[in-house]
Amino acid sequence: DAKTTQPPSMDCAEGRAANLPCNHSTISGNEYVYWYRQIHSQGPQYIIHGLKNNETNEMASLIITEDRKSSTLILPHATLRDTAVYYCIVRASRGGAGGTSYGKLTFGQGTILTVHP
Amino acid sequence: ETGVTQSPTHLIKTRGQQVTLRCSSQSGHNTVSWYQQALGQGPQFIFQYYREEENGRGNFPPRFSGLQFPNYSSELNVNALELDDSALYLCASRIQGNYGYTFGSGTRLTVV
Repeated sequence: DAKTTQPPSMDCAEGRAANLPCNHSTISGNEYVYWYRQIHSQGPQYIIHGLKNNETNEMASLIITEDRKSSTLILPHATLRDTAVYYCIVRASRGGAGGTSYGKLTFGQGTILTVHP
Repeated sequence: ETGVTQSPTHLIKTRGQQVTLRCSSQSGHNTVSWYQQALGQGPQFIFQYYREEENGRGNFPPRFSGLQFPNYSSELNVNALELDDSALYLCASRIQGNYGYTFGSGTRLTVV
């Protein structure tokens, strides 16, 4: 089962910032928060990931609360091409019982982001 | 250009048949995972290979098996196909460590 909770859908106006929330209240100390998105009929695309510090790259920013129980993905200037399903995923770093959970991405239902003109 | 190529893009098989799906990863990506995505659902982890050895498996029966080759290609084999195996099958690869996976565009398998 996914360890994250996301709203099923969100809307955003083109050019405005899109802020996508994610709850991961049972996150463990060695687990990272990853964000992927999936545009219709394509494979998921990696966006960003972080452990406890805020992160920024050319696509987005990731804000993780101090207690690490929630995070927000920020698309600073949303475009129509950002319309997609956004998945927030908690993934263990190396370790876990037998190592079999390492690397596994557990996808939930995600958030359908619709960017409109 | 994702750097991960899957073939074929679409496939139709009959119940009970066997199928092999292929994935070609970027050079240096020694970790590959396979996922099954049913319509309207998020991808479900099937298994993962690291340096040609399976090192993780999801809740899928043994008729789902795989191989990883030294040239960074891999295969997903499914025996005794069932109608519920109809889905998009995704291959994802990365270098070892805490990095993001690169996904292919998937193979759409339809079992009739």
